[in-house]
Amino acid sequence: NAGVMQNPRHLVRRRGQEARLRCSPMKGHSHVYWYRQLPEEGLKFMVYLQKENIIDESGMPKERFSAEFPKEGPSILRIQQVVRGDSAAYFCASSPAGTTGYNEQFFGPGTRLTVL
Amino acid sequence: DAKTTQPPSMDCAEGRAANLPCNHSTISGNEYVYWYRQIHSQGPQYIIHGLKNNETNEMASLIITEDRKSSTLILPHATLRDTAVYYCIVRPLDTGRRALTFGSGTRLQVQP
Repeated sequence: NAGVMQNPRHLVRRRGQEARLRCSPMKGHSHVYWYRQLPEEGLKFMVYLQKENIIDESGMPKERFSAEFPKEGPSILRIQQVVRGDSAAYFCASSPAGTTGYNEQFFGPGTRLTVL
Repeated sequence: DAKTTQPPSMDCAEGRAANLPCNHSTISGNEYVYWYRQIHSQGPQYIIHGLKNNETNEMASLIITEDRKSSTLILPHATLRDTAVYYCIVRPLDTGRRALTFGSGTRLQVQP
């Protein structure tokens, strides 16, 4: 059973470009979470999605950031007009549906975004 | 989620047991204790969780005091690959907010 997959693993963008990060949850998992880890800082929650729905985006910056989890295909975290402060590791996690078990989130290897 | 307090760093000799403490004096009756770890540059990894009874799995043991105000994660035979930041998280099993809140954790360095 493959784990959570993220791609690309490393992404370099120039200021002003768009960054698109992809996450494929574990098989059978319908809940996806995105977290960001700035250099030398802890993990911070960004957004929680179920298929086709954003459930909690309380950690998402109000501008330039968006996320989706379509019916088919991976979850996408999109950052428009990137700035140097967006340089970080972005981790995706997934958990199965249901009222229990979502505290056991399975994390992917992360995408390291570098903005030049 | 209840607040937790962990020492910022600990050392352990390879092959010895690593005992990582966590204080959670404001824990509520319906809150569980979860442990995750993050090995350098990798995504966090779930380790174990418990409510009030001691728990053991293939990775670790979790000892929760009788008053539930503190707990200890035990890695029985630490290896160099156990060097990581360990996070103690306290939260209800069933909560409307699914986001995990990671504190500063304990940086465990396993020495050869």
